[in-house]
Amino acid sequence: AQTVTQSQPEMSVQEAETVTLSCTYDTSENNYYLFWYKQPPSRQMILVIRQEAYKQQNATENRFSVNFQKAAKSFSLKISDSQLGDTAMYFCAFSVRSNNDMRFGAGTRLTVKP
Amino acid sequence: DADVTQTPRNRITKTGKRIMLECSQTKGHDRMYWYRQDPGLGLRLIYYSFDVKDINKGEISDGYSVSRQAQAKFSLSLESAIPNQTALYFCATSDLDRDGYGYTFGSGTRLTVV
Repeated sequence: AQTVTQSQPEMSVQEAETVTLSCTYDTSENNYYLFWYKQPPSRQMILVIRQEAYKQQNATENRFSVNFQKAAKSFSLKISDSQLGDTAMYFCAFSVRSNNDMRFGAGTRLTVKP
Repeated sequence: DADVTQTPRNRITKTGKRIMLECSQTKGHDRMYWYRQDPGLGLRLIYYSFDVKDINKGEISDGYSVSRQAQAKFSLSLESAIPNQTALYFCATSDLDRDGYGYTFGSGTRLTVV
């Protein structure tokens, strides 16, 4: 079975500082995709960043970057220069290319403090 | 207009009532999904459909049914609602040819069963 684990239910960070959210997953597949989604209080699910498993280079989107360790099945999200608008629930997700059935972690609630 | 529209946005219903949640999309995507979100559990897949004639159960389909009325419409029904079906429900779509690009989500339906 494919599972996604986020071991940090809640985290907080001071504005302008850096924070890292952890995610591990379990799969026997070789071709898959990994995602981080943000859910602000508006409850909309917003794609933050994505990573293709066959790419060794870590994905980066402005202040958001990932540390993808395929052998360790780890996919952490680093947020640099945290802003108040980054306050949200963050979900790590995993999708196998063959069936596109996306599995989600339980989420990490991030609070950015002024 | 939103790419993926869910109605209603919020709903309170009584135990034993039948209720339908609706989802329509303008993305032209073949694949559509229904998830439910519960605190501490993340999003879990209820049903998914890869085209109008293809309906598949997800990991928590008991107590739910779906109908894919057209490529653009995918509705979720609770035949006899019970309180533990109180949750936030999301519809999502994806494109077969861009399966590494994640899902497009609706804005969610918050359902409360009393």
